[in-house]
Amino acid sequence: DTAVSQTPKYLVTQMGNDKSIKCEQNLGHDTMYWYKQDSKKFLKIMFSYNNKELIINETVPNRFSPKSPDKAHLNLHINSLELGDSAVYFCASSQDKSKAYEQYFGPGTRLTVT
Amino acid sequence: AQSVAQPEDQVNVAEGNPLTVKCTYSVSGNPYLFWYVQYPNRGLQFLLKYITGDNLVKGSYGFEAEFNKSQTSFHLKKPSALVSDSALYFCAVRDRSNYQLIWGAGTKLIIKP
Repeated sequence: DTAVSQTPKYLVTQMGNDKSIKCEQNLGHDTMYWYKQDSKKFLKIMFSYNNKELIINETVPNRFSPKSPDKAHLNLHINSLELGDSAVYFCASSQDKSKAYEQYFGPGTRLTVT
Repeated sequence: AQSVAQPEDQVNVAEGNPLTVKCTYSVSGNPYLFWYVQYPNRGLQFLLKYITGDNLVKGSYGFEAEFNKSQTSFHLKKPSALVSDSALYFCAVRDRSNYQLIWGAGTKLIIKP
């Protein structure tokens, strides 16, 4: 009965490859997010979807492409992986985008690019 | 520009002593304020939030935070620290005019037995 789940938990791949990370939430929330946490633990918002509509699209390389097939799922596809993409990627959800609702985080996906 | 500052990279406290993790913010208008905790190799967990009303907010695991509008601060506190409180703590603020959450850089809290 995990609230926000991500797969895979670990991802080790070589430069130049394409990979995807999947996220699902069973909380009935309208809004989902992707964050990148670097080696210094700094948290950076990448994207946010509200009811399948992109509402936050921060300055990230266009090699990163989010897709939301429905409001319970938000996947992240990364093309042509680079060493600098190595980080922990967190998915999160919140009840609504416009209210003061807290975010619920998944366990993270540790991406290592070699 | 909106911003959040956590001035201490690390806070060391002896078990049983009170702890404070500092957070100051800068937003236009009245903010929504949040504290999250991250244990090693885990996702962030929500601790507490200030929306409106009483300036002292109580949250999970015995933590509380005080909203101080004049000092634009939202410091996290606990009367008696536990070793299990050792973790990374993040403060975040949301401007009521938009829906983006601004995150602090995090403060590592170490509780020594």
